[in-house]
Amino acid sequence: ILNVEQSPQSLHVQEGDSTNFTCSFPSSNFYALHWYRWETAKSPEALFVMTLNGDEKKKGRISATLNTKEGYSYLYIKGSQPEDSATYLCASQGAQKLVFGQGTRLTINP
Amino acid sequence: DVKVTQSSRYLVKRTGEKVFLECVQDMDHENMFWYRQDPGLGLRLIYFSYDVKMKEKGDIPEGYSVSREKKERFSLILESASTNQTSMYLCASRNRGHIRNSPLHFGNGTRLTVT
Repeated sequence: ILNVEQSPQSLHVQEGDSTNFTCSFPSSNFYALHWYRWETAKSPEALFVMTLNGDEKKKGRISATLNTKEGYSYLYIKGSQPEDSATYLCASQGAQKLVFGQGTRLTINP
Repeated sequence: DVKVTQSSRYLVKRTGEKVFLECVQDMDHENMFWYRQDPGLGLRLIYFSYDVKMKEKGDIPEGYSVSREKKERFSLILESASTNQTSMYLCASRNRGHIRNSPLHFGNGTRLTVT
């Protein structure tokens, strides 16, 4: 079983501040790294899927980077807004399946 | 937009009952997955399927079975429900596993309570 770790487990951020969190994954047998946002009472929604070392992806105020050699990815949120409050999940994709981390629960304080 | 529909949002069952959780997707995806989510543990893979009539065990298959008779439908079966199967169950589908950057599309989840 691949071991995917996310840190921190939870985070409280003031509205307007920027924040980031980490996903660590085994670098062997790597196919892709996924990020999902899971808001309360909704289904998880894909943010990014990244495959190449050094890859950077951006969606509005959210961006992500990928380092496959050392096995980590960062998710950044610039100028946090209340609607950013959610659990952020990363998943490492191997040959057959995706393995998820425990998630980072982000709360934005107005 | 891909739609993944799970038959029930909330379900309460008794210990020992046989429980069926149904999942239907409308985008002709080959791959379908069942996960459970428990606090502090993240999403854990129960079973997945590459195509019709195919199934593979995930990381925690004990106490579960699955059925994929049609491409759009993937059913999770709890043969004899137990209290430790109380959890949030999420179904997901994905377009062709060999395409690396294909994301999962999730249903809304079924919160199952076994009493």
